[in-house]
Amino acid sequence: DAKTTQPPSMDCAEGRAANLPCNHSTISGNEYVYWYRQIHSQGPQYIIHGLKNNETNEMASLIITEDRKSSTLILPHATLRDTAVYYCIVRVAISRLTFGEGTQLTVNP
Amino acid sequence: DTEVTQTPKHLVMGMTNKKSLKCEQHMGHRAMYWYKQKAKKPPELMFVYSYEKLSINESVPSRFSPECPNSSLLNLHLHALQPEDSALYLCASSQDPKGNTEAFFGQGTRLTVV
Repeated sequence: DAKTTQPPSMDCAEGRAANLPCNHSTISGNEYVYWYRQIHSQGPQYIIHGLKNNETNEMASLIITEDRKSSTLILPHATLRDTAVYYCIVRVAISRLTFGEGTQLTVNP
Repeated sequence: DTEVTQTPKHLVMGMTNKKSLKCEQHMGHRAMYWYKQKAKKPPELMFVYSYEKLSINESVPSRFSPECPNSSLLNLHLHALQPEDSALYLCASSQDPKGNTEAFFGQGTRLTVV
């Protein structure tokens, strides 16, 4: 599996866009980029995933660079409830979903 | 229904006890997973069941024994645990272990071994 690198922590003002970066320079052509988040003491929650095209759903947008070596998760209007650890995971198939250290996002009022 | 239900939510057990954690999903998913999460660390994969058969065991000690009695249920039997096994145990499921679909996680069982 490709290794991912994320900043350990980020801050964002409530109502502003939160842009969470992830580097995955060793990604293979058939590996997907997944994003999950974990709010304190809860189970991880799926956010979005993609292969090469940008993706958007009701929670977030995923922007993958053309060379696929990095991606950005965008929460368009962050709220206090978006404070969580965000995990970027690169994986061929879901079977061995391996979590790295993630980014602690703190949304401030 | 996109829910994975884990019971109990909290469990305290002695080192000589035998207990079981239970996980249930009714989404028709054919892959189910157990993860262990220590405080301030990411979840670590323990076991994967694919179509009710154990497909991945991440070198987990035998004091943890998984069981998948049917496609909706996943159990984790615990015996002779150590205090360092205290952690949040998470269950997850996904539609197909080989497909690129999302995994749904339960809220976990917080286990304390005394």
